[in-house]
Amino acid sequence: RKEVEQDPGPFNVPEGATVAFNCTYSNSASQSFFWYRQDCRKEPKLLMSVYSSGNEDGRFTAQLNRASQYISLLIRDSKLSDSATYLCVVNSGGYQKVTFGIGTKLQVIP
Amino acid sequence: NAGVTQNPKFQVLKTGQSMTLQCAQDMNHNSMYWYRQDPGMGLRLIYYSASEGTTDKGEVPNGYNVSRLNKREFSLRLESAAPSQTSVYFCASSEQTVQPQHFGDGTRLSIL
Repeated sequence: RKEVEQDPGPFNVPEGATVAFNCTYSNSASQSFFWYRQDCRKEPKLLMSVYSSGNEDGRFTAQLNRASQYISLLIRDSKLSDSATYLCVVNSGGYQKVTFGIGTKLQVIP
Repeated sequence: NAGVTQNPKFQVLKTGQSMTLQCAQDMNHNSMYWYRQDPGMGLRLIYYSASEGTTDKGEVPNGYNVSRLNKREFSLRLESAAPSQTSVYFCASSEQTVQPQHFGDGTRLSIL
């Protein structure tokens, strides 16, 4: 089993839709979790951290389920500008234990 | 505010050639990283520098060397380029976290 697994997609959704991605991780001792966004042929950018109590930033909500070992990202009222690849990142302790998922590609359609 | 600056943006090398990828950050961050990104794979850590004067191997260090020249600059060197090193290389920095916070815009490297 991979350390961090994501469905690569693509997820094609109409503008205004709500879409959710999950990311599963294998190490139960993982300590911190993040979502990054990467536009086509651009660098990754930190989108948000994922806290045990959940985290909301505008239309974006991130949640952590430790029991089932996954994190999720929910995007409400999708915009064309949300089209990107969303990378899940899991920190299992230390620089060498920060693992990036392959990313989930989202395409928002007019 | 430039953030993290990488040079060059694109490079084509022949097998066996050497080159150095340059990276500089202007945010006074302690930690700097080099990653490579290949299709179908997550970003993989090549080397990192937790602070000025220290460097450590990441997941895929073979074929690479690094130099943390000062707090601002962290360079990556390919001594004898191989086709397997064709990739997009990202430099990144962070203030006090183990995960990167800011990335440069990448170097697209092709080795023939």
